[in-house]
Amino acid sequence: EPEVTQTPSHQVTQMGQEVILRCVPISNHLYFYWYRQILGQKVEFLVSFYNNEISEKSEIFDDQFSVERPDGSNFTLKIRSTKLEDSAMYFCASKGQYTGELFFGEGSRLTVL
Amino acid sequence: GENVEQHPSTLSVQEGDSAVIKCTYSDSASNYFPWYKQELGKRPQLIIDIRSNVGEKKDQRIAVTLNKTAKHFSLHITETQPEDSAVYFCAATSNQAGTALIFGKGTTLSVSS
Repeated sequence: EPEVTQTPSHQVTQMGQEVILRCVPISNHLYFYWYRQILGQKVEFLVSFYNNEISEKSEIFDDQFSVERPDGSNFTLKIRSTKLEDSAMYFCASKGQYTGELFFGEGSRLTVL
Repeated sequence: GENVEQHPSTLSVQEGDSAVIKCTYSDSASNYFPWYKQELGKRPQLIIDIRSNVGEKKDQRIAVTLNKTAKHFSLHITETQPEDSAVYFCAATSNQAGTALIFGKGTTLSVSS
């Protein structure tokens, strides 16, 4: 069964460093998303991406964040200068054209020291 | 934007009892309402969903009801089992191209044997 894959599974970084989280969505999906989940809290929407541009973004997705689809398969989230409060699990998700279901990856745990 | 409220935040039941989790949403344009189950350290996984043209949907021991007039929907789990223990999230979206799926804060369900 096809699934969303994410790398790395866990990244530890120093405050102020740049981080890139990578995702490979399900191949025939058209809509891509990043969510984050601080430990023990809810799943929070960051950004959605369709047709090579951002469709919607939340207040959390400020100028420190960017997304890119550099080729036909990868979908990346970049955090330019990490802060302590960026520590969370980051989930990538994708959705097909005719279904409402979001398929989530296993997540990338980011720890900012 | 959409806002989803979920209650209760924790729910403890005995094995075999029923469990009910309730959610309300704010955006009348929302028409797709999934429920996700998240086990500790894992990704959220869809367990059941409902669209606004349907009032109730059932899949074995789980069912979801939707009251579009009142903007609330509920998850019902019957004959609960210890393996049902997890965090359950409701969500809502208008499901237009790239529109965000907005989650509730989650309900931690504990089923004791």
